Amino acid sequence: GAVVSQHPSWVICKSGTSVKIECRSLDFQATTMFWYRQFPKQSLMLMATSNEGSKATYEQGVEKDKFLINHASLTLSTLTVTSAHPEDSSFYICSAKVRATGELFFGEGSRLTVL
Amino acid sequence: DAKTTQPNSMESNEEEPVHLPCNHSTISGTDYIHWYRQLPSQGPEYVIHGLTSNVNNRMASLAIAEDRKSSTLILHRATLRDAAVYYCIRIISGNTPLVFGKGTRLSVIA
Repeated sequence: GAVVSQHPSWVICKSGTSVKIECRSLDFQATTMFWYRQFPKQSLMLMATSNEGSKATYEQGVEKDKFLINHASLTLSTLTVTSAHPEDSSFYICSAKVRATGELFFGEGSRLTVL
Repeated sequence: DAKTTQPNSMESNEEEPVHLPCNHSTISGTDYIHWYRQLPSQGPEYVIHGLTSNVNNRMASLAIAEDRKSSTLILHRATLRDAAVYYCIRIISGNTPLVFGKGTRLSVIA
């Protein structure tokens, strides 16, 4: 199947710093990518929908100025956690919709730990 | 709101079949039923999907009730690698993102 790659797989940062997570569709074009957050023992919670070339649509309760999403090309979306705090520590997962077929594929996730 | 209901957890012995139920009593005629699973520390992976008829693929089978208000994911021979959280998801329309409920945590006992 299609491959969605996230980088980094895990990251540890100090409180107050910013962290960028990349989501790439390796062998297909993705007009839409979705970002999820998952806390331990909980389900995935949708954070935002990212469409190539336009502003992301954020879910209620997700601060757009804190979680900056950029979808500059058909194969890359980035999530930047600005001024990270320990409560932002979580597993961040992206999914990408195949432009040609509408299928959805998920990345392997990025684990963020903020000290 | 995922609009599906699943048991929190289930347990199976290795090499035995597993039937994972899902209730979606408010489903509309155009909603597809998708199943994804999430292994520990990984992103979800697609398992199977269907609309009205039962479906089979190399991973599993999906049995959909005649009234479409429930479905069952069937793993024919559970292995230790099948231990995961299984999510039953209604696809409301082709343009909406997947909304995950709590899923069923499947434990497989050797």
